Amino acid sequence: GQSLEQPSEVTAVEGAIVQINCTYQTSGFYGLSWYQQHDGGAPTFLSYNALDGLEETGRFSSFLSRSDSYGYLLLQELQMKDSASYFCAVFNDYKLSFGAGTTVTVRA
Amino acid sequence: DARVTQTPRHKVTEMGQEVTMRCQPILGHNTVFWYRQTMMQGLELLAYFRNRAPLDDSGMPKDRFSAEMPDATLATLKIQPSEPRDSAVYFCASGLKSGVNNEQFFGPGTRLTVL
Repeated sequence: GQSLEQPSEVTAVEGAIVQINCTYQTSGFYGLSWYQQHDGGAPTFLSYNALDGLEETGRFSSFLSRSDSYGYLLLQELQMKDSASYFCAVFNDYKLSFGAGTTVTVRA
Repeated sequence: DARVTQTPRHKVTEMGQEVTMRCQPILGHNTVFWYRQTMMQGLELLAYFRNRAPLDDSGMPKDRFSAEMPDATLATLKIQPSEPRDSAVYFCASGLKSGVNNEQFFGPGTRLTVL
């Protein structure tokens, strides 16, 4: 089976940097995905790491260490619109197994 | 602007009634997923189809839930009979097997309330 751990809540001010950590235990692993979900909305894809290292996409970056079963999502230059839930998810062949999500609240 | 569509967006029903949720995946996508989201359990995979064939429904209560893809443009999730514990948001997602980043595209969801 799969188990993922990520913090439940993070609060930060506009312009700040937030790092959301995700540790996982899994019987099979192809890669680690991150999804964003605004309140009342659908999850939307942010990033995917199959190999160790940092992937950068604009203000968001994602990191993976396969040997440590660990990854993180880095949100830079926080904006009010970044207030949302962020889910890490282990991808295994076809299946995404989601963590419980981290609620990020951005304050002015 | 290709997107996954789901109907209905909201459904309120009484315990014991049948509920059918529909999903139109993005044209050309060959994988379809049904997820359920609740505060307590988070996002759970209920069923997975590839090229319209059901490959994984291990997350679905078999006694009352059923999922089908009658054609490539329609996936259905049926609950019969419905129970209050089925109250949740049900998401359909589609993607491409071995697609870029294995991205799944989620529909807007059906918010189900069973009284």
